[in-house]
Amino acid sequence: AQSVTQLDSHVSVSEGTPVLLRCNYSSSYSPSLFWYVQHPNKGLQLLLKYTSAATLVKGINGFEAEFKKSETSFHLTKPSAHMSDAAEYFCVVLNTGGFKTIFGAGTRLFVKA
Amino acid sequence: DTAVSQTPKYLVTQMGNDKSIKCEQNLGHDTMYWYKQDSKKFLKIMFSYNNKELIINETVPNRFSPKSPDKAHLNLHINSLELGDSAVYFCASSQDEGTSGVHSPLHFGNGTRLTVT
Repeated sequence: AQSVTQLDSHVSVSEGTPVLLRCNYSSSYSPSLFWYVQHPNKGLQLLLKYTSAATLVKGINGFEAEFKKSETSFHLTKPSAHMSDAAEYFCVVLNTGGFKTIFGAGTRLFVKA
Repeated sequence: DTAVSQTPKYLVTQMGNDKSIKCEQNLGHDTMYWYKQDSKKFLKIMFSYNNKELIINETVPNRFSPKSPDKAHLNLHINSLELGDSAVYFCASSQDEGTSGVHSPLHFGNGTRLTVT
């Protein structure tokens, strides 16, 4: 069975500094992985997805994530945080049976001025 | 055009009442979902539905029931509302990409904030 773990419930960075949101997954095969962002009082928006084409995936708003099979990780990064990046971020893995998507518990990103 | 739309955006009601939340998607997707997000932002899937099967999360009380009049709609009916039902409910849709069974990314509505008093 697949599972996903977001290693930090909260991350706080200063504006202009790098962002790292960590996600580990468990899967018996090569998974499809996603990152979603949720701004306050909004729905979830897809940031990027990995589907085995390239291990480094670029998304919207300057975010990218690297799939590392040996570490079973799919960490989300951004070189320079902006105030507008403050939101909740969810790592998601596709499942083979039953419900198709499994969400991590979320990481709340705070950006300080 | 809004891809996945839910109504109402806010719903305040009393315990014991029955209410519905509507969801419509204009993306032509074949699978729709309902999620519940609690106050700690944890997303819990409630139902997954396409024209072939309904998958129910066994932890969801049977007071909750999805109803799909057609492929583009999946409404959520809740009977005998309880205080613990207060949450934000999200509708979503995706497309099954053929025989691989892989789904496209989920597209979410903006949520319905349900408050039970």
